[in-house]
Amino acid sequence: GAGVSQSPSNKVTEKGKDVELRCDPISGHTALYWYRQSLGQGLEFLIYFQGNSAPDKSGLPSDRFSAERTGGSVSTLTIQRTQQEDSAVYLCASSLEGTVNNEQFFGPGTRLTVL
Amino acid sequence: QKEVEQNSGPLSVPEGAIASLNCTYSDRVSQSFFWYRQYSGKSPELIMSIYSNGDKEDGRFTAQLNKASQYVSLLIRDSQPSDSATYLCAVNDDYKLSFGAGTTVTVRA
Repeated sequence: GAGVSQSPSNKVTEKGKDVELRCDPISGHTALYWYRQSLGQGLEFLIYFQGNSAPDKSGLPSDRFSAERTGGSVSTLTIQRTQQEDSAVYLCASSLEGTVNNEQFFGPGTRLTVL
Repeated sequence: QKEVEQNSGPLSVPEGAIASLNCTYSDRVSQSFFWYRQYSGKSPELIMSIYSNGDKEDGRFTAQLNKASQYVSLLIRDSQPSDSATYLCAVNDDYKLSFGAGTTVTVRA
């Protein structure tokens, strides 16, 4: 079946602009996660959705970052007033349920470059 | 996030040899452990999950877990050039994952 899809695959923007990143999880997966991977920083957790609610937003680095999920499916991560330090690969993952044992499957990622 | 430590490598092994990757974690109550493979420029791909002490084998991959020592490892038998990648160890932190920095493996023909 289809895996996690993300769009765009690459995004180049100017400092101060807003960007929206999209994630379409595996069909039937109720849990969705956003992570970020930067050079020298490894993979860091941003936010977790169970259905349409986000019980854990603890990883969002600032209030410029927000995310929503609609219809228990597609999620959008929005970064307002982008800064150069926001440059990274943004990865979305989904799992069947949001439990400790559930395997998470990653999408191809969106590479964000802020000039 | 919980601490997950891996040797950064690079780990260079000859084709056909066994590659051994190690990972330690800080939180004794962690329950789920995962190994991901990440090729350069690609996203992480899940290759193994392990939840109980002992060994779990899947093809040429064997994951080993020792919760008392807070240690999880991955063995790659009969290493192939296509196994050249960065291997990420991940540990559950409730429902989210904490990742190690990854070990880069190079299999030389």
